[in-house]
Amino acid sequence: QQPVQSPQAVILREGEDAVINCSSSKALYSVHWYRQKHGEAPVFLMILLKGGEQKGHDKISASFNEKKQQSSLYLTASQLSYSGTYFCGLTGANNLFFGTGTRLTVIP
Amino acid sequence: GAGVSQSPSNKVTEKGKDVELRCDPISGHTALYWYRQSLGQGLEFLIYFQGNSAPDKSGLPSDRFSAERTGGSVSTLTIQRTQQEDSAVYLCASSLHQGWSTGELFFGEGSRLTVL
Repeated sequence: QQPVQSPQAVILREGEDAVINCSSSKALYSVHWYRQKHGEAPVFLMILLKGGEQKGHDKISASFNEKKQQSSLYLTASQLSYSGTYFCGLTGANNLFFGTGTRLTVIP
Repeated sequence: GAGVSQSPSNKVTEKGKDVELRCDPISGHTALYWYRQSLGQGLEFLIYFQGNSAPDKSGLPSDRFSAERTGGSVSTLTIQRTQQEDSAVYLCASSLHQGWSTGELFFGEGSRLTVL
């Protein structure tokens, strides 16, 4: 039931863009995105609900396609502060399952 | 406090001992979750409490694991007869909203358990 995230890791230079994908074999109700910096608690970024929703948070946005059972997180013009591990959480009927994470490193 | 508080932040124990991990959620949050994060791994769901409803224990890996939530607030995760594979960071989160689809989760900083 665990979502599959790709890529597992990515290294960017400041200002570059990245896309993180999250997919599931189960029917989905919503998608959560969180970022966890090393040694810290995961921090909420956004929730997307059904209906092909898209959201933005600063220069981080996401889309959710419930028919394809997948979501993508878009990081534009990356900053050093974007470094961390990004987790998607997919909700089914009664639970929220997180993916294994994507480690993003932004270098100067 | 302002956030989710977990204690202890670090716990080292010997194989076979019992441990208790505590979570104090944000005041007023009805939902409380426990996740486990092993080194380099994702967040593994353990258990979910929602108000006065029966908890969802479907993620507990074995009967050595149990959790309770007293008075709808503080929660304790107990691991009996600890094994080395139990070593991980145990994260607690709380949410104001009911249901998985609407509420953001606020995570504590976790309890790092090391079983020797």
